[in-house]
Amino acid sequence: GDSVTQMEGPVTLSEEAFLTINCTYTATGYPSLFWYVQYPGEGLQLLLKATKADDKGSNKGFEATYRKETTSFHLEKGSVQVSDSAVYFCALSDVGFQKLVFGTGTRLLVSP
Amino acid sequence: KAGVTQTPRYLIKTRGQQVTLSCSPISGHRSVSWYQQTPGQGLQFLFEYFSETQRNKGNFPGRFSGRQFSNSRSEMNVSTLELGDSALYLCASNQGQGRPTGEKLFFGSGTQLSVL
Repeated sequence: GDSVTQMEGPVTLSEEAFLTINCTYTATGYPSLFWYVQYPGEGLQLLLKATKADDKGSNKGFEATYRKETTSFHLEKGSVQVSDSAVYFCALSDVGFQKLVFGTGTRLLVSP
Repeated sequence: KAGVTQTPRYLIKTRGQQVTLSCSPISGHRSVSWYQQTPGQGLQFLFEYFSETQRNKGNFPGRFSGRQFSNSRSEMNVSTLELGDSALYLCASNQGQGRPTGEKLFFGSGTQLSVL
């Protein structure tokens, strides 16, 4: 079945550092890809999405590009802030959009 | 507009007991999905309800069940609790009549269930 693999965390960075969180997927067909963010004590919020190959999703300084050839959707940000500390989930919508398939999540900790 | 509301926020139960969790979707949303979140497994899809009918189901044992009421509120029930059922249970509501795609899905803060 479809699956998503994320890098293990936690990822610990200093403020203004460059962020990359790796995400690769296995899927039948061409799914849509998503990054969600979960702040402490809250539910998941959609951060960005891409619906086809070579699409770049972006929001709040975060970016991710849908790479079909490497089946990847890595999340990047040029300069992280303390307020970006959260758990980040990569996800795909399976064929027919029956449901979302999530990775295990990557915790990001940003120190001042 | 109020968001997705889940109650209670925390629950502590013992093995063998049963538990019922509640989810009120955003007003006007008719689809409700449930996910189980654990540190090792991430989020696992439990089931989805639309207009009081279960439309999709994940790979969980029959001890996990749900229902949806005419006002779109949903409950999930776990019977004969096991230690491994300890998790954060998230509910999400979806705009429109289509399947719950990512961009139209809105999550609640979850119910943290601890089984002792």
